[in-house]
Amino acid sequence: EVQLVQSGAEVKKPGESLKISCKASGYTFGIYWIGWVRQMPGKGLEWMGNVYPADSGTRYSPSFQGQVTISADKSITTAYLHWSSLKASDTAMYYCVRRGYDFDYWGQGTLVTVSS
Amino acid sequence: QSALTQPASVSGSPGQSITISCTGSSSDVGGYNYVAWFRQHPGKAPKLMIYDVSNRPSGVSSRFSGSKSGNTASLTISGLQAEDEADYYCSSYTSSTTYVFGTGTMVTVL
Repeated sequence: EVQLVQSGAEVKKPGESLKISCKASGYTFGIYWIGWVRQMPGKGLEWMGNVYPADSGTRYSPSFQGQVTISADKSITTAYLHWSSLKASDTAMYYCVRRGYDFDYWGQGTLVTVSS
Repeated sequence: QSALTQPASVSGSPGQSITISCTGSSSDVGGYNYVAWFRQHPGKAPKLMIYDVSNRPSGVSSRFSGSKSGNTASLTISGLQAEDEADYYCSSYTSSTTYVFGTGTMVTVL
């Protein structure tokens, strides 16, 4: 059974760094793109970017390029989303998604709250 | 990269059929057969309902069907049921090798 299990909710202050994770299981991790989707409170879905674990190749939405870093460690079948300096506007739910038959499997979401 | 355009809301009575549109451009919806539809219940993660314009993943009811004409894709839900009340999003691959979601549609079962 394919599963994507995300790390728990985070509360951080503006300017702090953060890395959230997505542990994959039940399939060959390296051969499927895995990505991140943002959903701000009460708003729609936004594709942030993908990583290909086999070679760590990445693609980013222009809206998120330079704002976050997406990576993967195939040895522990885990993908990451990293911020070096959080802003209040980063407050949102973040979902990891596998790109198989389109975005076919989703993590349960990680709520990130950024507040002073 | 603008979001694909969906109606804000669509409603129908139980048993009826409804259709949700998703309008993009020749650089996304019109250019590729990589359109998908997702259902999201409140407080839950989205679920894939249709992929590659008209294909249903295993386990998704045949009441859900997808199609595309030009730059507009559509999701039809037939035999509307209470459990279909949710937010629905389309998505598409783009010519920039990125992906874009639609603005989202709230479906209400009257």
